[in-house]
Amino acid sequence: ETGVTQSPTHLIKTRGQQVTLRCSSQSGHNTVSWYQQALGQGPQFIFQYYREEENGRGNFPPRFSGLQFPNYSSELNVNALELDDSALYLCASSPKGRAQGAYGYTFGSGTRLTVV
Amino acid sequence: AQRVTQPEKLLSVFKGAPVELKCNYSYSGSPELFWYVQYSRQRLQLLLRHISRESIKGFTADLNKGETSFHLKKPFAQEEDSAMYYCALINTNAGKSTFGDGTTLTVKP
Repeated sequence: ETGVTQSPTHLIKTRGQQVTLRCSSQSGHNTVSWYQQALGQGPQFIFQYYREEENGRGNFPPRFSGLQFPNYSSELNVNALELDDSALYLCASSPKGRAQGAYGYTFGSGTRLTVV
Repeated sequence: AQRVTQPEKLLSVFKGAPVELKCNYSYSGSPELFWYVQYSRQRLQLLLRHISRESIKGFTADLNKGETSFHLKKPFAQEEDSAMYYCALINTNAGKSTFGDGTTLTVKP
């Protein structure tokens, strides 16, 4: 059983650029959630994807967008990068549909994004 | 709006002492609550879920709806329990989750 894998592990971008982060969910998991974690804070929920559709979103602007593919892998896209977007981005998957929360999430190791 | 508060950023106890990590939440519906743990240089991992009423690694957590709390407890702390602990609330209907800012537990020998 493979866990959640994220790529790349580290990334440096310039303000105003666009970035795409990738996540492969754990085998058998069909729901993917993305989080932003700033230093000293807990993970902040960005959005969740289930069956290739966004089915929950946190307080993030539209320049944060995502995709989920038929194999349940996912991408997080961030446009017009700002300095405050510098953070660790975590992906987590879970095994069920709309009742996914009851089973908890399996997390990846994250992508460290630095915006300069 | 849902909110999770972990009032202690740092908690230090001696080996063998009881430990309690506090978690308070704000949520209008029936909450799904979890504790996650992150050991040094490891990824975040699920510790326990309130719905299963389980004990993992000697830890338990009881949901108190009256006090809107979900404190994590262990009667005898071990050095290997030293880690960052996060409390999380999941709104399964809306697909939203909220994490606290975490408590760093240090168990001293």
